[in-house]
Amino acid sequence: GESVGLHLPTLSVQEGDNSIINCAYSNSASDYFIWYKQESGKGPQFIIDIRSNMDKRQGQRVTVLLNKTVKHLSLQIAATQPGDSAVYFCAENFYGGATNKLIFGTGTLLAVQP
Amino acid sequence: EAGVTQSPTHLIKTRGQQATLRCSPISGHTSVYWYQQALGLGLQFLLWYDEGEERNRGNFPPRFSGRQFPNYSSELNVNALELEDSALYLCASLHQGNRVEKLFFGSGTQLSVL
Repeated sequence: GESVGLHLPTLSVQEGDNSIINCAYSNSASDYFIWYKQESGKGPQFIIDIRSNMDKRQGQRVTVLLNKTVKHLSLQIAATQPGDSAVYFCAENFYGGATNKLIFGTGTLLAVQP
Repeated sequence: EAGVTQSPTHLIKTRGQQATLRCSPISGHTSVYWYQQALGLGLQFLLWYDEGEERNRGNFPPRFSGRQFPNYSSELNVNALELEDSALYLCASLHQGNRVEKLFFGSGTQLSVL
């Protein structure tokens, strides 16, 4: 994602709808991608990861899609719930590269409307 | 099992003072990472400690320093505080295994410099 200073990109969805959060990554050589969720007042929490030899990976209610051609990553949340309201970060790295090289995006705020 | 714990949760200082932030990793984790999260921005890598040694640091001035103790807990010290140091400081410990690298974050220390 692009840095937008103090204003996070915001996605507002209705409870029960599906959410799609997008992320553009920067390094075509990155081969490991992670999504984190950060709730208010808490640290980021690991959601799901994907390696570059895959283009889709599913977890519980979440799916990550990877398009290496356009360097794009997305997180899909099915049947969005109020508890999904949080800031979502994508991160990229080389698998086996030092974790300090993990590059985080600026985040997207997901607001779930009841 | 306890997660990553950080103290204090909030810290208020004035310009020129020094701040000390503390972190205890998850039991069995030897690597500790420090990140700065300014309001509305992503996570910026600060420091990485492993087995008591500083392994790498991000693009921050020398007044940001720290150490890791024999029990793998860590301190982050910020000297000569400036207003722009106001941010959430996150500590994370690293789990590696089975081709997965996961950072587990604490809830952070909110540092306010007045």
